[in-house]
Amino acid sequence: EAEVAQSPRYKITEKSQAVAFWCDPISGHATLYWYRQILGQGPELLVQFQDESVVDDSQLPKDRFSAERLKGVDSTLKIQPAELGDSAMYLCASSSKIGGAEAFFGQGTRLTVV
Amino acid sequence: SQQGEEDPQALSIQEGENATMNCSYKTSINNLQWYRQNSGRGLVHLILIRSNEREKHSGRLRVTLDTSKKSSSLLITASRAADTASYFCATRFQGGSEKLVFGKGMKLTVNP
Repeated sequence: EAEVAQSPRYKITEKSQAVAFWCDPISGHATLYWYRQILGQGPELLVQFQDESVVDDSQLPKDRFSAERLKGVDSTLKIQPAELGDSAMYLCASSSKIGGAEAFFGQGTRLTVV
Repeated sequence: SQQGEEDPQALSIQEGENATMNCSYKTSINNLQWYRQNSGRGLVHLILIRSNEREKHSGRLRVTLDTSKKSSSLLITASRAADTASYFCATRFQGGSEKLVFGKGMKLTVNP
């Protein structure tokens, strides 16, 4: 069964350091999402791609966060510099198209900033 | 900001009982989806209901949608211990990027 792959599963980093997360969506899925989930809360959308283009990044803290999906397939989310408040689960998801489809989620990357 | 609000925020029931959780939202939607999340894991899609639908069933799940009240409910019948998880409603906005926005979630505990 096709899955969304994320790596690493866990990451511990010191504040002010750079950190990067990788996501490989289900093959053929044009839409890719990055969500941040703080413990006990719902996922918050950071950025949404349609193919290689960003269609929503209104909640992405652009002073420290960046995301790319250069060939419209896999994607990288970067934080530089990391802050203590960035500790959270970072979830990647994909769906077959914009326009209503269900999203398939990866297992997430648990980030701890110390 | 998050679109949906689940109610109650936590529910504890006995195995075999039914569990009902509600979701309210604020603006016009394309569809509403329910997801489950086991502790520390990714989310799993459960069921999707479109804005022109009023009720949908999938196995032990029943979801309703009332667009006039901007609310939805998810019913899990004959609950099992394995249903213990957090449940989230998510709404697809109409127009624009049609982003998928999640609520804060509801923790369901099913006691054996």
